[in-house]
Amino acid sequence: DIQMTQSPSTLSASVGDRVTITCRASQSIRSWLAWYQQKPGKAPNLLIYKASTLERGVPSRFSGSGSGTEFTLTISSLQPDDFATYYCQQYISYPYTFGQGTKLQIK
Amino acid sequence: QLQLQESGPGLVKPSETLSLTCTVSGGSISSSGYNWGWIRQPPGKGLEWIGHIHHTGSTNYNPSLKSRVTISVDTSKNQFSLNLRSVTAADTAMYYCARQYGGPSDSWGQGTLVTVSS
Repeated sequence: DIQMTQSPSTLSASVGDRVTITCRASQSIRSWLAWYQQKPGKAPNLLIYKASTLERGVPSRFSGSGSGTEFTLTISSLQPDDFATYYCQQYISYPYTFGQGTKLQIK
Repeated sequence: QLQLQESGPGLVKPSETLSLTCTVSGGSISSSGYNWGWIRQPPGKGLEWIGHIHHTGSTNYNPSLKSRVTISVDTSKNQFSLNLRSVTAADTAMYYCARQYGGPSDSWGQGTLVTVSS
């Protein structure tokens, strides 16, 4: 299985901050990476796929980059609605695997 | 708008079979290019991909669960189902069904909590 490792596990930030979450794969996944946002008690919501393509309806303050084994999710200016847990997922090979999550909390 | 809804027992006894159904509305489960999958999340923990099925019946499973899991599809009812056999407390989780397009899950059910306990 491909292992996905996110850092940090927890991130404290303020409204208006620019934040970056990193996801590393144990082997190259080219650009076959997705990012999800999950709020408490809710299903995850797809934000980005193919490493950098924004899902329809997702605000442009979210962006993704990277290829191979290292990827980043950036939120350019944090909004109150963005405080949530974020997961990366590889889908180059089965089983699809997720990172352990990054909890973005209010400073 | 596509909607997915999980249904099934919220409590299953150890060693028994967990059975869930996902009903798809607002779109056809036979739509080209999609897989229909199951993902679970133990309380307070991360996400685990269980497997998925194409409307033709082709499946892929997580090897960690493969010996115990079956995913099936009923196109006439626009539903797909999950069976997980010989459950233990470690299978207690929120179970989500989702549509998967080329890998990412772009539409999710609200989830259903299944507790394994006697």
